[in-house]
Amino acid sequence: KQEVTQIPAALSVPEGENLVLNCSFTDSAIYNLQWFRQDPGKGLTSLLLIQSSQREQTSGRLNASLDKSSGRSTLYIAASQPGDSATYLCAVNNNDMRFGAGTRLTVKP
Amino acid sequence: KAGVTQTPRYLIKTRGQQVTLSCSPISGHRSVSWYQQTPGQGLQFLFEYFSETQRNKGNFPGRFSGRQFSNSRSEMNVSTLELGDSALYLCASSATFWVYGYTFGSGTRLTVV
Repeated sequence: KQEVTQIPAALSVPEGENLVLNCSFTDSAIYNLQWFRQDPGKGLTSLLLIQSSQREQTSGRLNASLDKSSGRSTLYIAASQPGDSATYLCAVNNNDMRFGAGTRLTVKP
Repeated sequence: KAGVTQTPRYLIKTRGQQVTLSCSPISGHRSVSWYQQTPGQGLQFLFEYFSETQRNKGNFPGRFSGRQFSNSRSEMNVSTLELGDSALYLCASSATFWVYGYTFGSGTRLTVV
């Protein structure tokens, strides 16, 4: 059974810092990995989708990497802003989508 | 292009009642998945439908059921509601999940009193 772990559970940084969120998974036989953002009480917004054959994907200030063999992915956020404050969820898809518990990010002005 | 639409947004029910939640996927998407999100358990997979067939099912009791119609709209039903069923229920749709991933709706917040 696929297990997804996200570290750290919570992170607080001052505005402008670069930061890295980590995701690890136990079964490397995945189709793809998706990073989502969730604001309190809201649905999930897809940030980046990495196919199993890819090593990384970039969108604006976000960069996600995937090392399938070691079961790891990282989400790098450059020049963080208060508007980036949210919970970030990693999800891996092999036969159904399994989520980590998320990292709650707070960016202080 | 309209996103994934979930109705209703909020719902309050009494223990023992039943409830039906609705999800309209993005046009052209044939896969619909349902998730339950609670503070204690996080996001848990309920089931997935593809072209009206249940493709996959999570580890939930039989009180939780779903179906998908020919227009890909999906409904989720919970019978004999318990206090622990209070949660945010999220629906996601996909064209071909192994290529395009999933798009989520805003969710239905169910409160059981």
